[in-house]
Amino acid sequence: TQLLEQSPQFLSIQEGENLTVYCNSSSVFSSLQWYRQEPGEGPVLLVTVVTGGEVKKLKRLTFQFGDARKDSSLHITAAQPGDTGLYLCAVRNNAGNMLTFGGGTRLMVKP
Amino acid sequence: DAGVIQSPRHEVTEMGQEVTLRCKPISGHNSLFWYRQTMMRGLELLIYFNNNVPIDDSGMPEDRFSAKMPNASFSTLKIQPSEPRDSAVYFCASRSSDGEQYFGPGTRLTVT
Repeated sequence: TQLLEQSPQFLSIQEGENLTVYCNSSSVFSSLQWYRQEPGEGPVLLVTVVTGGEVKKLKRLTFQFGDARKDSSLHITAAQPGDTGLYLCAVRNNAGNMLTFGGGTRLMVKP
Repeated sequence: DAGVIQSPRHEVTEMGQEVTLRCKPISGHNSLFWYRQTMMRGLELLIYFNNNVPIDDSGMPEDRFSAKMPNASFSTLKIQPSEPRDSAVYFCASRSSDGEQYFGPGTRLTVT
């Protein structure tokens, strides 16, 4: 069993639709990060959430950290083809120096 | 800033051959990470260096894999001998002492 379970694994939608992807765990974390990885590139950090219940917005992307700090969601409004990519959640170890990644959600937004 | 530089970007080799992947971290970053990404296992940490010293290599799959960081601006990941199951994308990332990890573009390795 992975530390972080992401769902769905794959998502294919039309441009303009809304979507939500999830990152779940049975463990409690001091913080959680979301990355986006485009084809042929490495992951790029989008956001770090720290406080239980916290909501952060990045243009059309809304990130929420669960109240119990065990899970997180990413909501995209009016998806664009440029949103296509692999969305990864990650958490630091207790020492804060290493990351563990979830399996990712592979999103395709069709024009 | 040039970002993390990895070479080669693509490598195709035959089973049994030695493979060396290279990484130049961002200048001033004192931590360096090697990851492997496959469809089956996702993104996995192989080894982590801090100030050129290996701190945690628990993710290195077996003795065929080795990594070095001879100085602050260069690291290598070597596989000898390579096997088809080593086919994956290998990423290098670097981080400053109080910052976030920045990933390179990866090396796509195919072992036939």
